[in-house]
Amino acid sequence: QKEVEQNSGPLSVPEGAIASLNCTYSDRGSQSFFWYRQYSGKSPELIMSIYSNGDKEDGRFTAQLNKASQYVSLLIRDSQPSDSATYLCAVKRETSGSRLTFGEGTQLTVNP
Amino acid sequence: SAVISQKPSRDICQRGTSLTIQCQVDSQVTMMFWYRQQPGQSLTLIATANQGSEATYESGFVIDKFPISRPNLTFSTLTVSNMSPEDSSIYLCSVEILSPSGYTFGSGTRLTVV
Repeated sequence: QKEVEQNSGPLSVPEGAIASLNCTYSDRGSQSFFWYRQYSGKSPELIMSIYSNGDKEDGRFTAQLNKASQYVSLLIRDSQPSDSATYLCAVKRETSGSRLTFGEGTQLTVNP
Repeated sequence: SAVISQKPSRDICQRGTSLTIQCQVDSQVTMMFWYRQQPGQSLTLIATANQGSEATYESGFVIDKFPISRPNLTFSTLTVSNMSPEDSSIYLCSVEILSPSGYTFGSGTRLTVV
């Protein structure tokens, strides 16, 4: 079992729709969770971090964490073509020397 | 948040040679992380570099192949040694930031070995 798994994608949504990106993790000791956006040929850019169960909203982005289910998601409301990118879920275990483990990423395309 | 300057941005190298990648951070940081991103894949941690001590390497990565220096709290280098075409990847350095909390990345080095 992979430490961090994301829905395989690619995911395609129409402009204005809600894009839903999902991630599960295997280590119950994980404490910190991050979503990154990576445009082709660019380095990852931090979008959201979440540490507690529940929802965290920032503009059009909402991160959701459920530690009991070992599940974290990212919702993008009113999706725009500029949101087209690969989204990476990353997990940090506090006992692992601050190392991040990344999922394989989900490629999102928002169609005008 | 910290800003990382990484260079070179790209290089094409002959097999058997070595390339050193540099990362300069605009603030002092305890740990710096080096990642590899192979074409079409996600990020894999190579090693964690602490100032004043040996780097800690992840499984599958060894110091002879990827020597790291960390001479001070703002700078680190990663060398890719005795390169083969399989080393063709994007190499990224990263540091932890406090606001927003998380990790930021350098712009990456796209390495092609021919």
